[in-house]
Amino acid sequence: DIQMTQSPSFLSASVGERVTLSCKASQNINKYLDWYQQKLGEAPKLLIYNTNNLHTGIPSRFSGSGSGTDYTLTISSLQPEDVATYFCLQRNSWPLTFGSGTKLEIK
Amino acid sequence: EVKLVESGGGLVQPGRSLKLSCAASGFSFNDYWMGWVRQAPGKGLEWIGEINQDSSTINYTPSLKDKFTISRDNAQNTLYLQMSKLGSEDTAIYYCARGSWGFDYWGQGVMVTVSS
Repeated sequence: DIQMTQSPSFLSASVGERVTLSCKASQNINKYLDWYQQKLGEAPKLLIYNTNNLHTGIPSRFSGSGSGTDYTLTISSLQPEDVATYFCLQRNSWPLTFGSGTKLEIK
Repeated sequence: EVKLVESGGGLVQPGRSLKLSCAASGFSFNDYWMGWVRQAPGKGLEWIGEINQDSSTINYTPSLKDKFTISRDNAQNTLYLQMSKLGSEDTAIYYCARGSWGFDYWGQGVMVTVSS
């Protein structure tokens, strides 16, 4: 199974700050990497698929990049409504595996 | 509007079985893969498995392959998760999700509590 390691586990940042979250795979996942946002008490929501494709309706302050084993989610200007836990998911091979999440809070 | 609504959750005794349903609407159900994901209280997301459009391909996470069975009824626009030999470790919110480029739509989730 492919292991997904997210870092940091917890991040506190200021409104307007640029924020970067990381996800590292235990082997090459060929850019089959998604990012999900989960707010407290809600279902996860797809933000980005296949490394850098923004899902419908997602604000352009979210972007993704990466290749091979290393992937990044960037929020260009953090907003209060971005408080959530962010999970990555690899879809390169079965079984699909999620990272353990990064909890993002406002400083 | 794409809508996924899970049902069938609740309190179940250890060792018993339970079947969850996910009713889909607002899209052509038989054009999409569908999947199940769960989340134990205060924990992260765990992919359970997924099924393709005509049920010819079903994949599971290895640790659940012998306990859980995913199926679908395209005529009823419904996805199912049959769970057996339930233990306390299966206590979680269970989500169904549509598989496209990523899991692009999710249900609100249904709680399953395994306890005597």
